Amino acid sequence: EVQLVESGGGLVQPGGSLRLSCAASGFTYSAHAMTWVRQAPGKGLEWVSAITDNSGAIYSADSVKGRFTISRDNSKNTLYLQMNGLTTGDTAVYYCARGARTKLDYWGQGTLVTVSS
Amino acid sequence: QSVLTQPPSVSAAPGQKVTISCSGSSSNIGNSYVSWYQQLPGTAPKLLMYENNKRPSGIPDRFSGSKSGTSATLGITGLQTGDEADYYCGTWDSSLSVWVFGGGTKLTV
Repeated sequence: EVQLVESGGGLVQPGGSLRLSCAASGFTYSAHAMTWVRQAPGKGLEWVSAITDNSGAIYSADSVKGRFTISRDNSKNTLYLQMNGLTTGDTAVYYCARGARTKLDYWGQGTLVTVSS
Repeated sequence: QSVLTQPPSVSAAPGQKVTISCSGSSSNIGNSYVSWYQQLPGTAPKLLMYENNKRPSGIPDRFSGSKSGTSATLGITGLQTGDEADYYCGTWDSSLSVWVFGGGTKLTV
């Protein structure tokens, strides 16, 4: 069974940093691209960033470029999102999902990031 | 303002049929597969349709998808109260090299 479990969310002050993790199991992690998607309270889905299976290509939304960095460790079956320079506009539930350019076929349960003073 | 345009809401009675549209451009829908996601209240999104019209295992054939040019449509027949959810279309934009979602459509049954 495919499982994606996010962690690392929490309350952080504006300007602060946070690193999210997504632990994958139940499939050959190193063979799949991975994606982060976020959802602000009461709002729609917003794509954040994606990374190919071997980290050869990384794509990011303009809203997070220069602040957020996606990475992965295929030896640990884990996806990461390093978030720096956080603003209140980054408050959202962050989901990791398997896939990138054609479909997002499995999603985690999400982790809440709250940016507030 | 989302790159893909969906109606904010649709509604229909139980047992009826509804369609949800998703409009884009030649750089996204016109050049890539479209997928659809269902988000039940308080839960994570779930893949409902991929490659325009393919259903993942476990998705009933009451759900259908189609694409024509720069638009896509999700159809749901035999509506059930359990279908009440937010529905999102998504695709890759080859010009921007980003994934784009529609703004979401709230279905009320």
